[in-house]
Amino acid sequence: GAVVSQHPSWVICKSGTSVKIECRSLDFQATTMFWYRQFPKQSLMLMATSNEGSKATYEQGVEKDKFLINHASLTLSTLTVTSAHPEDSSFYICSAPRMENTEAFFGQGTRLTVV
Amino acid sequence: DQQVKQNSPSLSVQEGRISILNCDYTNSMFDYFLWYKKYPAEGPTFLISISSIKDKNEDGRFTVFLNKSAKHLSLHIVPSQPGDSAVYFCAASVSNYKLTFGKGTLLTVNP
Repeated sequence: GAVVSQHPSWVICKSGTSVKIECRSLDFQATTMFWYRQFPKQSLMLMATSNEGSKATYEQGVEKDKFLINHASLTLSTLTVTSAHPEDSSFYICSAPRMENTEAFFGQGTRLTVV
Repeated sequence: DQQVKQNSPSLSVQEGRISILNCDYTNSMFDYFLWYKKYPAEGPTFLISISSIKDKNEDGRFTVFLNKSAKHLSLHIVPSQPGDSAVYFCAASVSNYKLTFGKGTLLTVNP
């Protein structure tokens, strides 16, 4: 069964609104979670590293004020796309490793469409 | 600069035959490599991994080979089954579980 749960699986929103995506580790504690986005026929690109109890670390070129990450507990990280625009439409995926240096488990992904 | 490359966007094989998916990397600091399988509109599912201290890891029908001198790894699926049809991503990390992915290879296994 899934060990990382992501919600919602898809969302359509109007341009200018904000959307929150949740990522939960179901049977383990995750001090670190990762957020990726994938454009069609492209690889998964790491956006940011979410650290429980501290600020997220963003990859180069990712706007931290636009993609707000909160990791308030050991089982939950949230990604909020603020003031969404059509170019933010993408597939967003979170992941969490069960232990350090082991394979990461991925959520089901969220298909965001901004109209 | 793409650090993990999957040069074949697609591969088609017959059921029962071997599927070989290839991956090249440029960062010599990578020390952990993984293969993920992904269906459309779903998150990737972990398949198999290999540490840089090994050159082969086997799990059932799946075997991953690592050639560090060539900075090349491959995933072998034997025998291939129609249910194996999916996009396969190669990923690499530098001991901190932050993954760098290739663009993926779409595998189609024909009955």
